[in-house]
Amino acid sequence: AQKITQTQPGMFVQEKEAVTLDCTYDTSDQSYGLFWYKQPSSGEMIFLIYQGSYDEQNATEGRYSLNFQKARKSANLVISASQLGDSAMYFCAMRGRKGRRALTFGSGTRLQVQP
Amino acid sequence: DGGITQSPKYLFRKEGQNVTLSCEQNLNHDAMYWYRQDPGQGLRLIYYSQIVNDFQKGDIAEGYSVSREKKESFPLTVTSAQKNPTAFYLCASSPNLSGGVSNEQFFGPGTRLTVL
Repeated sequence: AQKITQTQPGMFVQEKEAVTLDCTYDTSDQSYGLFWYKQPSSGEMIFLIYQGSYDEQNATEGRYSLNFQKARKSANLVISASQLGDSAMYFCAMRGRKGRRALTFGSGTRLQVQP
Repeated sequence: DGGITQSPKYLFRKEGQNVTLSCEQNLNHDAMYWYRQDPGQGLRLIYYSQIVNDFQKGDIAEGYSVSREKKESFPLTVTSAQKNPTAFYLCASSPNLSGGVSNEQFFGPGTRLTVL
């Protein structure tokens, strides 16, 4: 079974500062993928970034980077230079190679960017 | 434009009634999924389908039913057996499931169901 844990129900950050959203995972699969999605108040799910378990380098996409520490089973999302539009729910998710192919999601972190 | 459409955006249902939520995709994706989201919580998997005419139960399938007669369509029926159906329902799709773990899921805009 796969499990995603996000221990920060809510986070505050000042505009233009960086923020780290925590995510730890548990899986018995050797090959797996980790995803981060953003959900604004409108409800849509927006894909942000992906990290494969065999990727040697941390993934980056613009202001988003993923701090992947395989031994610790953590995949933290780092948002640099926060903007007011970053205020949203953020979900960490994973997919394993075996068995069910759907994503398993964490409970999410609500990020509020303050001016 | 390619994408996933869900209709309606808002749906109200009386207790005891069945209701069907629509999900259509024109991305030519093989796999489709239904998730339920309760306020302030993450997404939980209801049903998923990896190929036409085949679907599997997710973690919270009780009180729900699906069909996959066409590749582009994956409707979800919320039956009267679902005890607490008020929630936000998200449909998603992803491309070929040949074993790759990197295929992201694309989501529709969601349907907010309220039972009166």
